[in-house]
Amino acid sequence: RKEVEQDPGPFNVPEGATVAFNCTYSNSASQSFFWYRQDCRKEPKLLMSVYSSGNEDGRFTAQLNRASQYISLLIRDSKLSDSATYLCVVNKGYKLSFGAGTTVTVRA
Amino acid sequence: EAQVTQNPRYLITVTGKKLTVTCSQNMNHEYMSWYRQDPGLGLRQIYYSMNVEVTDKGDVPEGYKVSRKEKRNFPLILESPSPNQTSLYFCASSLNSRSTDTQYFGPGTRLTVL
Repeated sequence: RKEVEQDPGPFNVPEGATVAFNCTYSNSASQSFFWYRQDCRKEPKLLMSVYSSGNEDGRFTAQLNRASQYISLLIRDSKLSDSATYLCVVNKGYKLSFGAGTTVTVRA
Repeated sequence: EAQVTQNPRYLITVTGKKLTVTCSQNMNHEYMSWYRQDPGLGLRQIYYSMNVEVTDKGDVPEGYKVSRKEKRNFPLILESPSPNQTSLYFCASSLNSRSTDTQYFGPGTRLTVL
């Protein structure tokens, strides 16, 4: 079983729509959680950290459910520029585990 | 400009011909690591280094070597490349090895082994 699993999508949504997707992780001892964004096989870049109480960054909202071991990302009012692959990342100690990514395509 | 650089960006080589992919960061980061990315598998950690002269295996270390003689550089060495090492490789660094640190990635090296 993979340490981090994501629905690969693609999620194809119109501009202005809300899109949400999850990832699950297998190691209950995981300590930190992140969403990274990757454009067209370029380098991943941090989108946001995910905190236990949930957190927002503009149009992006992240939630963590430790009991069920899943993390979610919600994008409100989608923009064309949100089209990317979103990587769920889980950290335990010195090692990071990446999901394979969820692809989101926002259409005009 | 704060950045992680990798060279070469693209490389086509043949089985068994030793190669080195360089990685350098100018942010005085302690922690550096190498990943490979393959379709459907996500990024998998090859090796990481918590500081100079301190390295350890990640999830997929077979066929790779690394060294960390200086804080800024973390080269990835393939002593005898094979076709199953054809992949997209990323180097990353972070301030230290705290689990909350942001990873900064290099632009990637696309390697093809024939």
